[in-house]
Amino acid sequence: AQSVTQLGSHVSVSEGALVLLRCNYSSSVPPYLFWYVQYPNQGLQLLLKYTTGATLVKGINGFEAEFKKSETSFHLTKPSAHMSDAAEYFCAVRRISSGSARQLTFGSGTQLTVLP
Amino acid sequence: DVKVTQSSRYLVKRTGEKVFLECVQDMDHENMFWYRQDPGLGLRLIYFSYDVKMKEKGDIPEGYSVSREKKERFSLILESASTNQTSMYLCASTGDRTNYGYTFGSGTRLTVV
Repeated sequence: AQSVTQLGSHVSVSEGALVLLRCNYSSSVPPYLFWYVQYPNQGLQLLLKYTTGATLVKGINGFEAEFKKSETSFHLTKPSAHMSDAAEYFCAVRRISSGSARQLTFGSGTQLTVLP
Repeated sequence: DVKVTQSSRYLVKRTGEKVFLECVQDMDHENMFWYRQDPGLGLRLIYFSYDVKMKEKGDIPEGYSVSREKKERFSLILESASTNQTSMYLCASTGDRTNYGYTFGSGTRLTVV
């Protein structure tokens, strides 16, 4: 089975500081990994994804994540936080099941607050 | 711009009512999903569909049903709404050739009173 654990349901950083949101996964098959962002009163938007190839993945809005197989991690980082980064962030992993649909399993989310 | 459109942003329904949540996508995607989102629980899969008229239960299907008569439309039905179904409902879709990249609707916040 595939699962995702996001460490820290709430993270606060100062504007201009490093953002680090943690995600660990378990998967019995080579994982496909994703980060989504949800701004208030909106649906989720894809930030970045890892499927195969380069383990350092760059996404939108200056975010990046590194797939580390030995640590089963896919942490999300951004060098300098901006007020507009305040949102909820979800990590997800490809879910393998008997069905044909391309399912994802989502973590419980991390609320990022950016302090002025 | 490609879209997943959910028919209502906010709904208030009474206990026992039959409730329909509609989702339409314009990307010709094969796969469509209904999730509910609750604080601290993340997204939980209710039902999904990988083709017209095909549907499968997700993790929390009790109290819900779905309909997919056309490729672009996926409806979630609450047969008899209860207060514990008060939640944010999110629809998503993805194509067989999009490598699992989901497109989400804006969500429907349902309150059952």
